[in-house]
Amino acid sequence: GENVEQHPSTLSVQEGDSAVIKCTYSDSASNYFPWYKQELGKGPQLIIDIRSNVGEKKDQRIAVTLNKTAKHFSLHITETQPEDSAVYFCAAMDTGNQFYFGTGTSLTVIP
Amino acid sequence: GAVVSQHPSWVICKSGTSVKIECRSLDFQATTMFWYRQFPKQSLMLMATSNEGSKATYEQGVEKDKFLINHASLTLSTLTVTSAHPEDSSFYICSVGQHQETQYFGPGTRLLVL
Repeated sequence: GENVEQHPSTLSVQEGDSAVIKCTYSDSASNYFPWYKQELGKGPQLIIDIRSNVGEKKDQRIAVTLNKTAKHFSLHITETQPEDSAVYFCAAMDTGNQFYFGTGTSLTVIP
Repeated sequence: GAVVSQHPSWVICKSGTSVKIECRSLDFQATTMFWYRQFPKQSLMLMATSNEGSKATYEQGVEKDKFLINHASLTLSTLTVTSAHPEDSSFYICSVGQHQETQYFGPGTRLLVL
């Protein structure tokens, strides 16, 4: 089955700096890669996603890149703000519609 | 995206009792719903896939007789934790999604078994 690894597990950045979170996956047939933001005590919220036929996608301060050959994808947050502080999860969806989540990255943006 | 609600958001119960958690898809006809559990500072672990009108598919290691899932309509799935014990204390989250599309998560239900 699919195996998703996520790094780093914790990340602290100064407000205004960029944050990058990386994930790797093992199943080359996986074709959909969402990123979720989870605030304390709440359910995960989709923030951006990318499909395997696209290499990069951007939405304001958030971008995701996908390298199918290397089987890794990354979340980039620019001009970080304190409200970006949360736990971020990557996921990979296989052809059977099952999601496999990374272990999460706790991001702290220091004002 | 789809709007998903869960009820209750918090539940505290005594050991040995059963607890029912509801997951509702408010604006989306969900033929498939997913149930996850999450321990503190850990990732989401899929427990089961709930299919409307049929039996749920449970992940390996999840006791189907302990975690009863009912998906009787396109907007409601329920998870019943039977004879709950302290080790069942966790954050339970449901999600809805169509085939090859993203999943939208509910706000979660925190269960504390005393």
